[in-house]
Amino acid sequence: QSALTQPASVSGSPGQSITISCTGTSSDVGGYNYVSWYQQHPGKAPKLMIFDVNIRPSGVSNRFSGSKSGNTASLTISGLQAEDEADYYCSSYAGSSTALFGGGTKLTVL
Amino acid sequence: QLQLQESGPGLVKPSETLSLTCTVSGGSISSSGYYWGWIRQPPGKGLEWIGSISYSGNTFYNPSLKSRVTISVDTSKNQFSLKLSSVTAADTALYYCARHGGGGNFWTYYFDFWGQGTLVTVSS
Repeated sequence: QSALTQPASVSGSPGQSITISCTGTSSDVGGYNYVSWYQQHPGKAPKLMIFDVNIRPSGVSNRFSGSKSGNTASLTISGLQAEDEADYYCSSYAGSSTALFGGGTKLTVL
Repeated sequence: QLQLQESGPGLVKPSETLSLTCTVSGGSISSSGYYWGWIRQPPGKGLEWIGSISYSGNTFYNPSLKSRVTISVDTSKNQFSLKLSSVTAADTALYYCARHGGGGNFWTYYFDFWGQGTLVTVSS
């Protein structure tokens, strides 16, 4: 199992929309509708933002949305705000009751 | 509100066994059939799932670590624990405990409550 592939960094200006990709294989991202996304601010624990590709837990802003096409999942953040600046990690079910994470993407709000 | 707190030695010598405990408060580790897991994050790097356990002791491990990992649960103390044997410098990381989402006695791949993490350094 190899880590899912994410861009090292993305950036955007306040109010804009950005998309973070997460690429896996047919054995993980492409094989199941089981992708989650986490937000991690410096020195803090990860926070669940999206699960099952596009479901937001209670309390998560609707500015965060998820999607998937083939072996690639995406997290879109609309109406970018300063507090969105953080690291973002994707995760996928990888079969046989195992989970795989991505390498993480640093989002900079310009 | 559910809270998880990791505890254990911050420094472990190479070839020895890393041992950590996660104490759950604000809820019972036995309730609603949740699974409980360990995740680690080497300094400046990404997350890696280590393994998980149910309240009844059913375990699942990351295949890449399976030979060195043991996770156990103590429902009387509302705790679950991690042991990682034969550690090397590559095991230096921030170790998180977390609750799997969903419940219902089904293992899921995502985590909805996390501890704050504890840094473990492997060094002589």
